[in-house]
Amino acid sequence: KAGVTQTPRYLIKTRGQQVTLSCSPISGHRSVSWYQQTPGQGLQFLFEYFSETQRNKGNFPGRFSGRQFSNSRSEMNVSTLELGDSALYLCASSANRVNEQFFGPGTRLTVL
Amino acid sequence: GQSLEQPSEVTAVEGAIVQINCTYQTSGFYGLSWYQQHDGGAPTFLSYNGLDGLEETGRFSSFLSRSDSYGYLLLQELQMKDSASYFCALSGSARQLTFGSGTQLTVLP
Repeated sequence: KAGVTQTPRYLIKTRGQQVTLSCSPISGHRSVSWYQQTPGQGLQFLFEYFSETQRNKGNFPGRFSGRQFSNSRSEMNVSTLELGDSALYLCASSANRVNEQFFGPGTRLTVL
Repeated sequence: GQSLEQPSEVTAVEGAIVQINCTYQTSGFYGLSWYQQHDGGAPTFLSYNGLDGLEETGRFSSFLSRSDSYGYLLLQELQMKDSASYFCALSGSARQLTFGSGTQLTVLP
């Protein structure tokens, strides 16, 4: 069974731009979560989607948004990028079991 | 809210046993999970404790005590490939994982 895939793996943007990251979950998994990982703040929850509905959102500004499609693939968007948005963005899927999540390799976003 | 504390670094030698502790504060949760992350890699699920007590999975064991707000991950017969960061994480009704800051384990030959 293929794992979680994320595209692109690396991205360089400048302040003020926007970015869209994509995540394809493990086949059959309907829950997709997004996390931001930085050296200073660690792993922080962004949001979780299940069957195209956002069920929970972390403490991030409205510039961070996401969506899930009918095939469970998910995208997250960050608008008006700031230097502090530089991070590894991780997507995780699960069979609706929050305790066991399967993470993708992440997208390394650098904001210049 | 929820918060978890772990030691930032632990060092041990190959073949030894090491315990990584995790203390937490929360008003309610389903259980405590452990994840391993190698440099440049994705976190991978190791173990989950939904109930108090010990869970064993091969060389790895995890323990939870709800009354003490405490858990640990025990790694036995350490191998060089076990050098990685280890995260404890709480899961709750909010359907999210709240992670600790991670423990960097270094295994020396």
